Amino acid sequence: EIVLTQSPGTLSLSLGERATLSCRASQSVSARYVAWYQQKPGQAPRLLIYGASSRAADIPDTFSGSGSGTDFTLTISRLEPEDFAVYYCQQYGSSHGLSFGGGTKVEI
Amino acid sequence: QVQLQESGPGLVKPSENLSLTCSVSGASLNSPYFYWTWIRQRPGTGLEWIGYISYSGNTHYNPSLESRVSISVGTSKTQFSLNVTSATAADTAIYYCARGREPLGFCSSANCHWFDLWGQGTQVTVSS
Repeated sequence: EIVLTQSPGTLSLSLGERATLSCRASQSVSARYVAWYQQKPGQAPRLLIYGASSRAADIPDTFSGSGSGTDFTLTISRLEPEDFAVYYCQQYGSSHGLSFGGGTKVEI
Repeated sequence: QVQLQESGPGLVKPSENLSLTCSVSGASLNSPYFYWTWIRQRPGTGLEWIGYISYSGNTHYNPSLESRVSISVGTSKTQFSLNVTSATAADTAIYYCARGREPLGFCSSANCHWFDLWGQGTQVTVSS
């Protein structure tokens, strides 16, 4: 199983700042099969990015994904009030199946 | 617009079966190429994939749960269900149903999916 380690655990930023979230895999993720989700309190996760860099429907272009191999990044270019949430990465490229990271909380 | 909605008992006694249903509106469960999935989130932990039933009726489960889990589709093809036998406190979680998508490229496993739609989730507590 591929273990995904997200860092930092908590990111404290201000409105308008840039957020950079890291997701490191214990083994290389084939074909850049990584997704990112946003979860707000009391809500289900919401898909933001799939295929490491493809934005899901209705996701603003302030969200972008990048990376390959074992290192992947989610960037929020300018934080809006609604962006404060927990973010999870997920890989689906392993022969052992998919796995999720432990999450990064973005807080004010 | 496709929507998913979980339903089922919020409280289950230890050793009993945990059964949940996901109602899907706006789509048929046999529409290619979707994978109707259950995922749970235990208190203070991250997300755990439980298993899926595919558009063609194939199922695939998390090896750590496989001996206790089954997923099936209702006759209306608009609901799918999760059954977990012999529930314990470790099964206490928020349970989500979700729609899995597969990439156009090569997949090296049977659960090569990301999840583009989720239900709102349902809390299940296993306690006497």
